[in-house]
Amino acid sequence: EPEVTQTPSHQVTQMGQEVILRCVPISNHLYFYWYRQILGQKVEFLVSFYNNEISEKSEIFDDQFSVERPDGSNFTLKIRSTKLEDSAMYFCASVDQSYNEQFFGPGTRLTVL
Amino acid sequence: QKEVEQNSGPLSVPEGAIASLNCTYSDRGSQSFFWYRQYSGKSPELIMSIYSNGDKEDGRFTAQLNKASQYVSLLIRDSQPSDSATYLCAVNWYSSASKIIFGSGTRLSIRP
Repeated sequence: EPEVTQTPSHQVTQMGQEVILRCVPISNHLYFYWYRQILGQKVEFLVSFYNNEISEKSEIFDDQFSVERPDGSNFTLKIRSTKLEDSAMYFCASVDQSYNEQFFGPGTRLTVL
Repeated sequence: QKEVEQNSGPLSVPEGAIASLNCTYSDRGSQSFFWYRQYSGKSPELIMSIYSNGDKEDGRFTAQLNKASQYVSLLIRDSQPSDSATYLCAVNWYSSASKIIFGSGTRLSIRP
């Protein structure tokens, strides 16, 4: 069964450094999303992406964040200058052809020191 | 502010019994409703989706939706130890491909 994949599984970085989290959505899915979950808290929406542009973003998704689909398969989230409070699990999701059910990748645990 | 509310638990249920999980949401303009299961340290796994009032059954799981009461529930029959996890209620608004808003989850523990 096709699945969303994410790399790396764990990323440790120093505060102020740039990180790029990578996702390969399920092929033929058209909408892509990034969510994050701080330890012990809710899963929070960051951004949705369709047709090579952002369709919606949350207040969390400020100028330090950007997304890109550099080729036909990868979908990336970049954090330009990481802060301690960016430490969280970051999940990528994509939506199936019925445009309803979002399937999540395994996540990247980002630790900012 | 769109909100999805769940009792955080833990909910302890004996093995073989029915586990009942509940969720309320704040806005009547909601479109789709989902139940995700999340094991500790893992990603949310979709187990049920429901779009119209009534019941929807899939194996041991039944989702129930009451839009008038803004209420969604999940029943798990014949609970197994492997069902022990956090169950996340999620709702999307506006359009079917829009973001989904998650509740904080109910921690379910199945005791042998």
